[in-house]
Amino acid sequence: KAGVTQTPRYLIKTRGQQVTLSCSPISGHRSVSWYQQTPGQGLQFLFEYFSETQRNKGNFPGRFSGRQFSNSRSEMNVSTLELGDSALYLCASSFGGGLIASPANTGELFFGEGSRLTVL
Amino acid sequence: QKEVEQDPGPLSVPEGAIVSLNCTYSNSAFQYFMWYRQYSRKGPELLMYTYSSGNKEDGRFTAQVDKSSKYISLFIRDSQPSDSATYLCAMRSAGGTSYGKLTFGQGTILTVHP
Repeated sequence: KAGVTQTPRYLIKTRGQQVTLSCSPISGHRSVSWYQQTPGQGLQFLFEYFSETQRNKGNFPGRFSGRQFSNSRSEMNVSTLELGDSALYLCASSFGGGLIASPANTGELFFGEGSRLTVL
Repeated sequence: QKEVEQDPGPLSVPEGAIVSLNCTYSNSAFQYFMWYRQYSRKGPELLMYTYSSGNKEDGRFTAQVDKSSKYISLFIRDSQPSDSATYLCAMRSAGGTSYGKLTFGQGTILTVHP
């Protein structure tokens, strides 16, 4: 089955602009999580959406926001871009429902290939 | 101090060597432990997934979790050049709404040379 699809793969923006990134999860997965990956900080959790509701949020400023649609597709938005926002933004999908230990839900996160954002 | 500490390496070994990768953590709430592999310009992919303490083996890979010491390991036997990648440990607490929130180590860059 198709994996997690992220668009765009690469983009360049200037300081002060805003950006929207898109993620299509694996069919049947209802949870979408977003991560920021940088050489200095590694992979850091941004937020998770499940059934159109944000159910967990990392320690990032309010400039970072997201949403999930009824078809489980998700978008994240970064407003007023700063140089330090340059990073690889990764989306991960999972089944996300019920007990993690249940057979239908191994808890595994399936990552996309990411959107590489460069802020000039 | 980071919740999860991982030596970033880089680590360079000859083909066929046994590789040992390690992470320590400080949050005793972590119950699920994972190792991800990330090739250049790709997203991380899950290698091993362990709940609580113990060992788990899958082919050439063995994951160990020692919750009393807050220490996890990944061993790669008979390493191959195709194992060259960044290896990330990741952890998650149990229950609640923590499904999608993993805490990652910094990642160890591994190179296996022929």
